[in-house]
Amino acid sequence: DAGVIQSPRHEVTEMGQEVTLRCKPISGHNSLFWYRQTMMRGLELLIYFNNNVPIDDSGMPEDRFSAKMPNASFSTLKIQPSEPRDSAVYFCASKLEYTEAFFGQGTRLTVV
Amino acid sequence: QQPVQSPQAVILREGEDAVINCSSSKALYSVHWYRQKHGEAPVFLMILLKGGEQKGHDKISASFNEKKQQSSLYLTASQLSYSGTYFCGTENGDDKIIFGKGTRLHILP
Repeated sequence: DAGVIQSPRHEVTEMGQEVTLRCKPISGHNSLFWYRQTMMRGLELLIYFNNNVPIDDSGMPEDRFSAKMPNASFSTLKIQPSEPRDSAVYFCASKLEYTEAFFGQGTRLTVV
Repeated sequence: QQPVQSPQAVILREGEDAVINCSSSKALYSVHWYRQKHGEAPVFLMILLKGGEQKGHDKISASFNEKKQQSSLYLTASQLSYSGTYFCGTENGDDKIIFGKGTRLHILP
């Protein structure tokens, strides 16, 4: 398996624009996580899906952030409108229940 | 809810040992340990499950005290390749992993 695949790897956008981050989890994994990493806050959990259903989105910072998982092999994290404080590295991770998580390579988002 | 890691940073010489601690205010089902090198994704090292089961790296060991809600990662005879930031992630039975802020480890030759 190729592992968790995220795209794009880097994204630079202007404030106010919509940003969509994409994730393909490892085949067969039934849990998917979106994390945001910054120097100040470390690795923050934004949202957690199990069997394509959002279970806990309490980490989503505000209504500008939304995430979907239309099927077992694809998830998106959307920011609309984007703001400079959204600049961070966004990681997607997938796992089987009660096992280790595997991370994608991350998307480095810069909002100018 | 976020686990607390200590120390925040460690500098060692190659061959020295280190211990990284992780504690939680909530009852734990499992503890996960990851290492992240600069510009890369976190990589799995070890998982410790309630009840004593462990799975992970053959050169790194860890302990899990369920009663105290604590875990420690032991790095013995450290190598230059051990440098990076170590994260503990805790899971409370809901399959959701919450990470601490990390411990930066730097190994000097």
